[in-house]
Amino acid sequence: DTEVTQTPKHLVMGMTNKKSLKCEQHMGHRAMYWYKQKAKKPPELMFVYSYEKLSINESVPSRFSPECPNSSLLNLHLHALQPEDSALYLCASSPRGQGYNSPLHFGNGTRLTVT
Amino acid sequence: GENVEQHPSTLSVQEGDSAVIKCTYSDSASNYFPWYKQELGKGPQLIIDIRSNVGEKKDQRIAVTLNKTAKHFSLHITETQPEDSAVYFCAAWVHQGGKLIFGQGTELSVKP
Repeated sequence: DTEVTQTPKHLVMGMTNKKSLKCEQHMGHRAMYWYKQKAKKPPELMFVYSYEKLSINESVPSRFSPECPNSSLLNLHLHALQPEDSALYLCASSPRGQGYNSPLHFGNGTRLTVT
Repeated sequence: GENVEQHPSTLSVQEGDSAVIKCTYSDSASNYFPWYKQELGKGPQLIIDIRSNVGEKKDQRIAVTLNKTAKHFSLHITETQPEDSAVYFCAAWVHQGGKLIFGQGTELSVKP
């Protein structure tokens, strides 16, 4: 089992809904990441939090809003999504802050479907 | 921008055979190269990584080799088993931006 826990595992939402994805790790890791993954493609980086501060935003549309309430938790707030946003959303963490080349530990993702 | 090329995109082997997946990278300053295995319905899991101060690293049936001069690295799996069937991603650490760049993935199928 992965040490990065993501909830929910599956989510179906309409284009006018507001929902949130949650991620939790208790390994004391200092950087946390959101990735988006389409079928048979590599993960695409969306956001990085380092020491609870947003350090990378890969020009992600504002309908995705990240939040890092504390060093163990990471949320992704979703609003007014489009069907093309349907994908697997992966959370990851790494021991050191962003900018250090340390291993990423991924959760099993949230499978999001936008109808 | 920096990129990582991975080949082949699909690979089918018989159980017990070896499998080799190759990646090339563009950032000559890259010094960290992890490999991830992603099974159906799961997130990518780190299986082995190598840093630029070594040329080869082994862990039981898997090994990774690195040629910094040629800017390529490879994953070798020996005595393949059906449970090795998955998508494998290589990645390289890019200093500008401080992030991992992933290859496009290799879908490995091990036939019993």
